[in-house]
Amino acid sequence: DTGVSQNPRHKITKRGQNVTFRCDPISEHNRLYWYRQTLGQGPEFLTYFQNEAQLEKSRLLSDRFSAERPKGSFSTLEIQRTEQGDSAMYLCASSLWGTHYNSPLHFGNGTRLTVT
Amino acid sequence: EDKVVQSPLSLVVHEGDTVTLNCSYEVTNFRSLLWYKQEKKAPTFLFMLTSSGIEKKSGRLSSILDKKELFSILNITATQTGDSAVYLCAVDPQKLVFGQGTRLTINP
Repeated sequence: DTGVSQNPRHKITKRGQNVTFRCDPISEHNRLYWYRQTLGQGPEFLTYFQNEAQLEKSRLLSDRFSAERPKGSFSTLEIQRTEQGDSAMYLCASSLWGTHYNSPLHFGNGTRLTVT
Repeated sequence: EDKVVQSPLSLVVHEGDTVTLNCSYEVTNFRSLLWYKQEKKAPTFLFMLTSSGIEKKSGRLSSILDKKELFSILNITATQTGDSAVYLCAVDPQKLVFGQGTRLTINP
């Protein structure tokens, strides 16, 4: 399967714990995105990378959230000191972006986080 | 602030009906508008529209963009129960900004 892969599929954690999610994009894609989706809402942008550079981070994203893409391939999203409001589906997507062409974003199946 | 509004938020029809889903947007540096279908997990790509007035078609689904009036529609003809899903509209000013989605339910 050459699609976007996310791990784990589900994560249940207690409030105050740290969690880390991983995303493996489609191999030739240079852009990688993180979104968060809650029930009944569309995906909300968190951050995105072009290769290893983090180009934008949502103003809504608190300092407890950090993302990395150290070698321009896979990415991790860490949430520190989790709160119940962090419970959501975290979606990763990737695309091939160029000056004159950009492919649609292809999404992974997401990591569902439940904070108790 | 970039904004995408979809209507209706929810729609229930009978199998065989034709439906039209709406998407309006306000965004700086518009590049493209995309439609996705989301069933239980990942949104799956349907269409990407960049030019006004050119209809994109895939089977029973079609979509068109109006860049002057800042909206797009997604049509589904002869609906089937497998079309039941949330349909998401998104615009691309470097990153995708999504609407809330339209939950479509097709009853047999």
